[in-house]
Amino acid sequence: GAGVSQTPSNKVTEKGKYVELRCDPISGHTALYWYRQSLGQGPEFLIYFQGTGAADDSGLPNDRFFAVRPEGSVSTLKIQRTERGDSAVYLCASSLMRESGEQYFGPGTRLTVT
Amino acid sequence: AQSVTQLGSHVSVSEGALVLLRCNYSSSVPPYLFWYVQYPNQGLQLLLKYTSAATLVKGINGFEAEFKKSETSFHLTKPSAHMSDAAEYFCAVSESGGATNKLIFGTGTLLAVQP
Repeated sequence: GAGVSQTPSNKVTEKGKYVELRCDPISGHTALYWYRQSLGQGPEFLIYFQGTGAADDSGLPNDRFFAVRPEGSVSTLKIQRTERGDSAVYLCASSLMRESGEQYFGPGTRLTVT
Repeated sequence: AQSVTQLGSHVSVSEGALVLLRCNYSSSVPPYLFWYVQYPNQGLQLLLKYTSAATLVKGINGFEAEFKKSETSFHLTKPSAHMSDAAEYFCAVSESGGATNKLIFGTGTLLAVQP
């Protein structure tokens, strides 16, 4: 079956621009997570959705970052006024059963801010 | 707060040798523990997980890990390395019974396998 997909795979943008990153989770997975992986680091949690609502957004670094999941499936991570420090790989994961903790990851979107 | 420490950012072994990747965790509640593998330009793939059942957990590709509460460790092992095992490995922890199940990752260990 289809796994988690993310688009685009690569995004290059200029400092100050707005970007949107898309995540298509595995069909039927109610839990969706966004993580950010900087060079040489492990992934860092950004936000968690259960259904349509953001149940935990404690990892978002500041108010330039926002994410939505309006129909409980596809999610979009939005970054306003991008900064060079936002350059990283943004990973999306989905999970069928929250308590099991088994998250399935997409290939990521590599964001480069010039 | 939970945290994970992976000792050794780079590990090199010979093909056929034992693989040992170290992971220590910190958690105030019983944890769930995971090992993920990341191949170049690919997403993270789950190798194995500990969720308070058997302390010795077997995963895919011949890997296993042992949960040792007294040592707060969850080291990953494989008896005989293959060239195809070359990748980056991440240990992660989440809070059992937690509200979100978000994963806290270590900084990763890059495994090189020499012929």
